[in-house]
Amino acid sequence: DTAVSQTPKYLVTQMGNDKSIKCEQNLGHDTMYWYKQDSKKFLKIMFSYNNKELIINETVPNRFSPKSPDKAHLNLHINSLELGDSAVYFCASSHPPTLSGNTIYFGEGSWLTVV
Amino acid sequence: QQQVKQSPQSLIVQKGGISIINCAYENTAFDYFPWYQQFPGKGPALLIAIRPDVSEKKEGRFTISFNKSAKQFSLHIMDSQPGDSATYFCAASGLGSTLGRLYFGRGTQLTVWP
Repeated sequence: DTAVSQTPKYLVTQMGNDKSIKCEQNLGHDTMYWYKQDSKKFLKIMFSYNNKELIINETVPNRFSPKSPDKAHLNLHINSLELGDSAVYFCASSHPPTLSGNTIYFGEGSWLTVV
Repeated sequence: QQQVKQSPQSLIVQKGGISIINCAYENTAFDYFPWYQQFPGKGPALLIAIRPDVSEKKEGRFTISFNKSAKQFSLHIMDSQPGDSATYFCAASGLGSTLGRLYFGRGTQLTVWP
C-alpha cells in the first residue's frame, strides 16, 4: 500500500487554467505538507497542516490554496496557472512537529507543466 | 536565503569507492539534520539522520559526521554501489520559527560507475 499517494502524477495545462492536485496518506499522521521542487531540484516547503489546521504558510502566491477536508487528505488548488508554476509538487506527512526530528514521508510527486 | 548549503552539486564515484557530500548551516536553532535520497521519478526518502549531541552516526554503509562548532555535517557512503546512484539532499529543522519546516540543501547528483 502506498503511504502517501497523490494524483495526478503528470499534469500538462495551459496558462490561466485552474487545477488541483489531491493527496492522501494512510500512515495515521496528523500533519501534512506541500513541498515544491523546481527545475533545479530545489525543494522548498509551501504549506503545512496539522489536523486540518493551517500551521505553515510560506511566502506562496495566494493563487495557491491548500484544503484539508480531514487529517488524511490535503489537496492543493492552483488558480490562474503561470509558466513559473511548472514544477514537481510533493505531498508529505509526519507526526506533529511538537519536537523537531519527525520523519517526513513524501509522496511520489505531481509533475506540473504549464504551457 | 539558502539556509543549508550543500556541495558538490554532482559527484561521480567508481564502484567500491567512498562518496562524500558536505553541508553547512548558519541557523543555531537547527537541531535535527536528516539526509534524504531521491531516485528519478520518486519522492525523497529519509536515509539517515543525526542530532547535534553526537558527532557521528552510522547505518550500514552510510555515515553522518557532524561538527557542531563548524556548523557542518557530511554524508559518507562507503563501498558505493551503482544502486546508490541518486540525488542526495541534506536538510535541517529545529525549534522556534524553524519547527515543522525542513530546509533542504540544493542536492548532489551521485553517479556510481560499475
